[in-house]
Amino acid sequence: KQEVTQIPAALSVPEGENLVLNCSFTDSAIYNLQWFRQDPGKGLTSLLLIQSSQREQTSGRLNASLDKSSGRSTLYIAASQPGDSATYLCAGGLGAGGTSYGKLTFGQGTILTVHP
Amino acid sequence: NAGVTQTPKFQVLKTGQSMTLQCAQDMNHEYMSWYRQDPGMGLRLIHYSVGAGITDQGEVPNGYNVSRSTTEDFPLRLLSAAPSQTSVYFCASSFIALVGFAGYTFGSGTRLTVV
Repeated sequence: KQEVTQIPAALSVPEGENLVLNCSFTDSAIYNLQWFRQDPGKGLTSLLLIQSSQREQTSGRLNASLDKSSGRSTLYIAASQPGDSATYLCAGGLGAGGTSYGKLTFGQGTILTVHP
Repeated sequence: NAGVTQTPKFQVLKTGQSMTLQCAQDMNHEYMSWYRQDPGMGLRLIHYSVGAGITDQGEVPNGYNVSRSTTEDFPLRLLSAAPSQTSVYFCASSFIALVGFAGYTFGSGTRLTVV
C-alpha cells in the first residue's frame, strides 16, 4: 500500500526566505506526483505535476523534483511571500496503468506561514 | 468557467438520512474521483471512475455508492448517513494527455455535517 509522508507538518518563515517542503513515498512504482495548494476552507489548487519519466518541473517561483529511487519529492519555493501561506499537499499516483491512474494517495500536508 | 462543480457547498443531515452529492465537469475528462478530507487523516479516496459506466472502490468506500452514466457527472450517494461521515468531500477530474496522466482538477468541496 502506497504511503505518503510530508515533513515538516508546519513551517513558519520570514518573507523573502527560500524554503523546501519534503514529501516521501513508499512505493517506487509511482506513476506521477502532484503538488497542491489548499487555502483555509477552500479546495485544492494544482501547482505542479511530475510524470515518472521526469525529474523536475518549474512554475514561476516554484520548483518540484522527483527522485523515484529514493522515494522522495521536494517542493522548492523561492523568495517566499505572505501570499504563499497555505497548506501544501503532495499526492502520488500509482503506476500500474489502466484503472490505477485514477488513484491518488495524499500526504497530510505542510502548513506554511510566511510572515512579513 | 470550465472546471469541476460540486453541489451543495454545505449540508446538514440527520443520522439515517440519505442524500446525493453532485459533481459535474465540463472538460470531457474521463477520470473522476471522490475524496473525503478529515483533520489528521488527510484526503482519502472513496470511489473513482475511469469512464462512463466504469467505477471502482477506493480506500474508504463503505457507506457510499457511485455511478457514472455520463462523462460529465459523477454523483456520490450516502445511503444512510452516520456521524462518522461528517467531512469535507471533494470531487476531482482528469484525463490522459500525450505526455501521460494530466493531473487532477478539484472542485471547491461539500462540507457535510451529520448530527
